[in-house]
Amino acid sequence: AQSVTQPDIHITVSEGASLELRCNYSYGATPYLFWYVQSPGQGLQLLLKYFSGDTLVQGIKGFEAEFKRSQSSFNLRKPSVHWSDAAEYFCAVGPGGGNKLTFGTGTQLKVEL
Amino acid sequence: GAVVSQHPSRVICKSGTSVKIECRSLDFQATTMFWYRQFPKQSLMLMATSNEGSKATYEQGVEKDKFLINHASLTLSTLTVTSAHPEDSSFYICSARDHPRTMSSYNEQFFGPGTRLTVL
Repeated sequence: AQSVTQPDIHITVSEGASLELRCNYSYGATPYLFWYVQSPGQGLQLLLKYFSGDTLVQGIKGFEAEFKRSQSSFNLRKPSVHWSDAAEYFCAVGPGGGNKLTFGTGTQLKVEL
Repeated sequence: GAVVSQHPSRVICKSGTSVKIECRSLDFQATTMFWYRQFPKQSLMLMATSNEGSKATYEQGVEKDKFLINHASLTLSTLTVTSAHPEDSSFYICSARDHPRTMSSYNEQFFGPGTRLTVL
């Protein structure tokens, strides 16, 4: 069965500092990996996705993530966090075709000014 | 990106009543819609997958007679929580996607803003 673990429930960073959100997955085949952001009152927005190829993927809003097969990880990073990045972030894994995503429990990001 | 709306955004109902939640794709045709449930501090759990014009496929442990899903058109899916009880209180989220063009391609799921259901 597929599963996703986000070990950090809450993370607080200062504005301008770098950010790394951790994600570990378990999946029987080649995984399709995703990071979503959820802001209050808004739907989940896709930040980036990995299917194959270059293991470092770039997303929207200055985010990037690196797929490391040996570590079963897909950590999200941003070099300089903005106050508007405060939100909940979800890592997800799924098969191709846009089906049946399995989500992690999320990481709540707080940004201190 | 494509927009998915949900209505209502919040609903409070009495125990034993039924509640209908609508999910609409506003600018694309959604051949498939997904319904998720999110508990506080927990992950989104997929409840069911619905394809336009056919019966929904429910995940293990989800009562299909309690959570009725209808996907009658390419832009609308509804989730009806029948005889709601306090334990059904949760945040319900839908997503929608277009038809996959190839088996190896990925059609992004676009998520609605969610519906907060509180059953008294």
